[in-house]
Amino acid sequence: DQQVKQNSPSLSVQEGRISILNCDYTNSMFDYFLWYKKYPAEGPTFLISISSIKDKNEDGRFTVFLNKSAKHLSLHIVPSQPGDSAVYFCAVESGTYKYIFGTGTRLKVLA
Amino acid sequence: DAGITQSPRHKVTETGTPVTLRCHQTENHRYMYWYRQDPGHGLRLIHYSYGVKDTDKGEVSDGYSVSRSKTEDFLLTLESATSSQTSVYFCAISESYRNTGELFFGEGSRLTVL
Repeated sequence: DQQVKQNSPSLSVQEGRISILNCDYTNSMFDYFLWYKKYPAEGPTFLISISSIKDKNEDGRFTVFLNKSAKHLSLHIVPSQPGDSAVYFCAVESGTYKYIFGTGTRLKVLA
Repeated sequence: DAGITQSPRHKVTETGTPVTLRCHQTENHRYMYWYRQDPGHGLRLIHYSYGVKDTDKGEVSDGYSVSRSKTEDFLLTLESATSSQTSVYFCAISESYRNTGELFFGEGSRLTVL
């Protein structure tokens, strides 16, 4: 069973608007969450993280929200730019040094 | 950028042949990981290491083995490659764990098994 789910395989957004990427997890014991961005033919790069003691973390245009009761986190990108077009993965620390990733959401920002 | 080098970057091989992918880091990070990326599956953990000679299985470890004889190198071996192991393989490293760590990824190794 997938412990980390990204139910939207793809998302298209107009330049300048908000992009919202969603991620659900199954285990309430998970307490550290990360988002990664991946361009074609490159390795994933770290974007932003959040600990379960917080419900929001911001870094420039990127904000991650955590809803522990719903076991849901989201990544907001405002304003979206064409260079943000990439595949976004959410990940969790799943215990004993392991990081588990979701299936990814392909974001396309239209100019 | 974290100093991570994967080799080879591209390889085509035949079913039944052994294959070894190498991950080399210059960061002296303790933790090292091998993931594979496949359409519809995202990034799946194959094996990981939490120290020299300390390794463990991930989600999709069947058909793979690893070795880490020194801090900087983490080898992934396919003893007898199968077509289902055609994938892009990523090595990742991390300095720490537990609410502080983040993974730094290599550029990937594309493996095709015919």
